Amino acid sequence: AQSVTQLDSQVPVFEEAPVELRCNYSSSVSVYLFWYVQYPNQGLQLLLKYLSGSTLVKGINGFEAEFNKSQTSFHLRKPSVHISDTAEYFCAVRNMNTGFQKLVFGTGTRLLVSP
Amino acid sequence: NAGVTQTPKFQVLKTGQSMTLQCAQDMNHNSMYWYRQDPGMGLRLIYYSASEGTTDKGEVPNGYNVSRLNKREFSLRLESAAPSQTSVYFCASSADRVTDTQYFGPGTRLTVL
Repeated sequence: AQSVTQLDSQVPVFEEAPVELRCNYSSSVSVYLFWYVQYPNQGLQLLLKYLSGSTLVKGINGFEAEFNKSQTSFHLRKPSVHISDTAEYFCAVRNMNTGFQKLVFGTGTRLLVSP
Repeated sequence: NAGVTQTPKFQVLKTGQSMTLQCAQDMNHNSMYWYRQDPGMGLRLIYYSASEGTTDKGEVPNGYNVSRLNKREFSLRLESAAPSQTSVYFCASSADRVTDTQYFGPGTRLTVL
């Protein structure tokens, strides 16, 4: 079984500052990794995903994440945030070996960007 | 191309009432999912359907039933609603390739009194 830990439930940051949202996972098998974003009163949409290859993954809206297998982490970063980045961010993993795609989500991190 | 649509957007039920949440997708996806989202708990999978005609239990199936009516539609039924089922419900779909993205609907906010 897999599990995902997002230690920070809320991250306040000022506009134009950099931000890092942390994600650690636990799994006995190899996994694919995802970050989803949920804007207020909306469904989730994919920011980026790591499947294989380069451990630095670039996503939409200027976000990127780095896969670190030894530390079982997949932290999300943005060098300069905007007010419009205020949202909840979910890290998720999927077992690479199962025959059907089921995502296991973390509990989410609320990013609060203020002027 | 509407993506994933859900109805209703909001619903208030009394304990013991029943209702069906509707979900439809127009992306020709084989796989569909129902999640519930509760504060501090992230998203938890209730049921999923890998293809038309098949359904399977997820993490938290108790108190729910599902129907994969056709390739487009996947409904979630609460037979006898309980306050513990107060939540936001999301439907999602994906193509059946291993690495495909899941696309989410806008959600249904359900309150059970």
